[in-house]
Amino acid sequence: KQEVTQIPAALSVPEGENLVLNCSFTDSAIYNLQWFRQDPGKGLTSLLLIQSSQREQTSGRLNASLDKSSGRSTLYIAASQPGDSATYLCAANQAGTALIFGKGTTLSVSS
Amino acid sequence: SAVISQKPSRDICQRGTSLTIQCQVDSQVTMMFWYRQQPGQSLTLIATANQGSEATYESGFVIDKFPISRPNLTFSTLTVSNMSPEDSSIYLCSVEDPGGPRFFGPGTRLTVL
Repeated sequence: KQEVTQIPAALSVPEGENLVLNCSFTDSAIYNLQWFRQDPGKGLTSLLLIQSSQREQTSGRLNASLDKSSGRSTLYIAASQPGDSATYLCAANQAGTALIFGKGTTLSVSS
Repeated sequence: SAVISQKPSRDICQRGTSLTIQCQVDSQVTMMFWYRQQPGQSLTLIATANQGSEATYESGFVIDKFPISRPNLTFSTLTVSNMSPEDSSIYLCSVEDPGGPRFFGPGTRLTVL
């Protein structure tokens, strides 16, 4: 059964720093890997989707990569801002199945 | 992208009672999923609900406790039955955009006293 792990659990950085969030999964036969953002008390906002045939996706200051062979994905945030403070969730699924979530990385960016 | 609404957005309930949560999507979708997010935790899948068939429950979740209906391709309900304080969570529904991203509703925040 797919398991998704995220490290670190929490991260604090000063504004302007570039940072990387890590996600690993146990079953490399994934269909999609998706990164979400969740603000306290709020729902999930989809950030990036990487399909199994893709290696990376970019949106603004965010870049997500996927290495199926090693079972890893990373989310790179460039020039972090206080508004980036949130919990970031990684989730993976196989075709036609539900997303399995990691426990998340809580990011705090100080000004 | 699919737009999902959930009702109620939040509720405070007494133990032993039941609450039905509604999930409405603005387009027809085959697969819908129900998740639970306990305080300070990540999301855990409760069940997968496909129109015209019985919901498929994950280990640790049973139909008597979490009955699900899926009467058509745009709507589903999740009932939390005989509630206890341990059921206090955010409940979220999710849909699949075939081949694309999964979208989530805003969630229903449930507090059981």
